Amino acid sequence: QQQVKQSPQSLIVQKGGISIINCAYENTAFDYFPWYQQFPGKGPALLIAIRPDVSEKKEGRFTISFNKSAKQFSLHIMDSQPGDSATYFCAASKGVGAGSYQLTFGKGTKLSVIP
Amino acid sequence: NAGVTQTPKFRVLKTGQSMTLLCAQDMNHEYMYWYRQDPGMGLRLIHYSVGEGTTAKGEVPDGYNVSRLKKQNFLLGLESAAPSQTSVYFCASSYTKNTEAFFGQGTRLTVV
Repeated sequence: QQQVKQSPQSLIVQKGGISIINCAYENTAFDYFPWYQQFPGKGPALLIAIRPDVSEKKEGRFTISFNKSAKQFSLHIMDSQPGDSATYFCAASKGVGAGSYQLTFGKGTKLSVIP
Repeated sequence: NAGVTQTPKFRVLKTGQSMTLLCAQDMNHEYMYWYRQDPGMGLRLIHYSVGEGTTAKGEVPDGYNVSRLKKQNFLLGLESAAPSQTSVYFCASSYTKNTEAFFGQGTRLTVV
């Protein structure tokens, strides 16, 4: 059972455009929603994270939008740059209960920003 | 700051051979994790540890064992490697649960 569904699998965006990646989760106990960025040959690195007490969080060109009632969250990359080309993973975890130490990842989105 | 260091970076095993992957972190983190990454599958948790001397199963633990004898080290063992264990393995650590996880650079393992 996939608890975090991510779309699209791949995304091609023109330089300067907006990249949007969506995730949906099933477990209402999740209370931490990070996005990780991974470059080829490297480990994932935290990009930005949100908790369900806010609906939006912005850090530079990166914004997470969170919709608790719809159990969805998304990553927006404004003014996308070729250096943003990477694979992006959404994830979710919960603070209490069985499996509370586990980050559950989406399957990833490969973003290509073309000049 | 080294962060999370994995050894080795690459390895080729023959079916049935055994090996140990080493993960070391220098951030004094309590929590450590082993994930495997396969194309189109995201990252799946194999085993994790919430402190020195503790280990627990994750989503895909079969065929793997782990040990956390020292707080800074988390070892992943394959007793009898199978081609299905061909993957990229990532170790991660975090200060506590529900916080940023720091990942190593990965170990690419091929089982032939």
